[in-house]
Amino acid sequence: DAMVIQNPRYQVTQFGKPVTLSCSQTLNHNVMYWYQQKSSQAPKLLFHYYDKDFNNEADTPDNFQSRRPNTSFCFLDIRSPGLGDAAMYLCATSRVRDRGYEQYFGPGTRLTVT
Amino acid sequence: AQSVTQLDSQVPVFEEAPVELRCNYSSSVSVYLFWYVQYPNQGLQLLLKYLSGSTLVKGINGFEAEFNKSQTSFHLRKPSVHISDTAEYFCAVSFTDKLIFGTGTRLQVFP
Repeated sequence: DAMVIQNPRYQVTQFGKPVTLSCSQTLNHNVMYWYQQKSSQAPKLLFHYYDKDFNNEADTPDNFQSRRPNTSFCFLDIRSPGLGDAAMYLCATSRVRDRGYEQYFGPGTRLTVT
Repeated sequence: AQSVTQLDSQVPVFEEAPVELRCNYSSSVSVYLFWYVQYPNQGLQLLLKYLSGSTLVKGINGFEAEFNKSQTSFHLRKPSVHISDTAEYFCAVSFTDKLIFGTGTRLQVFP
């Protein structure tokens, strides 16, 4: 089945130690999104790629970076994680020709910062 | 500007009872509306969507929603809930290539 895959599902990192989360998709969608979701809150969009075009949300901290080397893969880099960055990180995809840009979500990576 | 309001942060209900989760939206352009469900430690799964056409939309797991343009609402309903429906439910409106989410409603089904 076509899907959005996130690895790892659980990630533990130390305060200040860089960490990379990965997302891959077999849907061949041209838009990929990264969200941060804290407990009992809605997902918060960090940035998204429209093909290779990177779109950063205005309030996304500089500590968060992203790479999309090809259509299938997208990475979230947290350069110096703080305790406040502990959250669920969700990757999603959509297809530009789909009306309304329905988004397909991966299972998420839960990040713990010690 | 687009926005979504989910007035109920929590909805407790007994098993086999009907439930309605409320969603109101604000949009200045064509409206595309979605309901997603999130089980603990999982991603979001699409329940149903309204893009155009019939205002009554049927989704997975026995859920349905009605698009009401005059009341700017898109309430989610299920006639008889099951324990397994316990989850967080998010209403969302599409804005260009992004989704604007409501704050979510926690549905808790009791035996």
